[in-house]
Amino acid sequence: NAGVTQTPKFQVLKTGQSMTLQCAQDMNHNSMYWYRQDPGMGLRLIYYSASEGTTDKGEVPNGYNVSRLNKREFSLRLESAAPSQTSVYFCASSERTDYGYTFGSGTRLTVV
Amino acid sequence: AQSVSQHNHHVILSEAASLELGCNYSYGGTVNLFWYVQYPGQHLQLLLKYFSGDPLVKGIKGFEAEFIKSKFSFNLRKPSVQWSDTAEYFCAVNALTGTYKYIFGTGTRLKVLA
Repeated sequence: NAGVTQTPKFQVLKTGQSMTLQCAQDMNHNSMYWYRQDPGMGLRLIYYSASEGTTDKGEVPNGYNVSRLNKREFSLRLESAAPSQTSVYFCASSERTDYGYTFGSGTRLTVV
Repeated sequence: AQSVSQHNHHVILSEAASLELGCNYSYGGTVNLFWYVQYPGQHLQLLLKYFSGDPLVKGIKGFEAEFIKSKFSFNLRKPSVQWSDTAEYFCAVNALTGTYKYIFGTGTRLKVLA
């Protein structure tokens, strides 16, 4: 029972580089989310996908794009990384948007 | 705009002490309520949830929470904490508005002294 799997676990980027964070869930959940966690700021929603084929902006979408590739996979892309995007990124999924979430183990991203 | 407040940012307790962490939200309609726990270096895990019914809900590891609608509160409690409860605790509120409104509080960092 893998739950929500995120890759990579750690990443260091130079300013201006791009990368994609991968997320996959095996619980047949409809909804998936990307959050960033910064000290003292809790979790802030970047993008979410209420169901396969839909994506919507969250609280802090600037500088990010997402793709809901299929029901299982939801990727987050940083097109041109900036130091302000240094954070821990969590992917989560849920059966519905108003249910409890299952979180992945996180990606610690540092942009230098 | 909807918001979730966790007034205690840091709490330090000795083992066997009782715990109560506050969570207040600002939304007058129907809500689903959640508490999550994040152990050091780990991801968030769901502790308990309230959708409807008995306002006193029990979760894993001996935690419980009480929903008081008149106070817009959903406080987390545990009668006797253990060193292993050292973690950060997040309250989350989902406002059932028809659009997505799932908001996390900023967290309360709990340290339990052995």
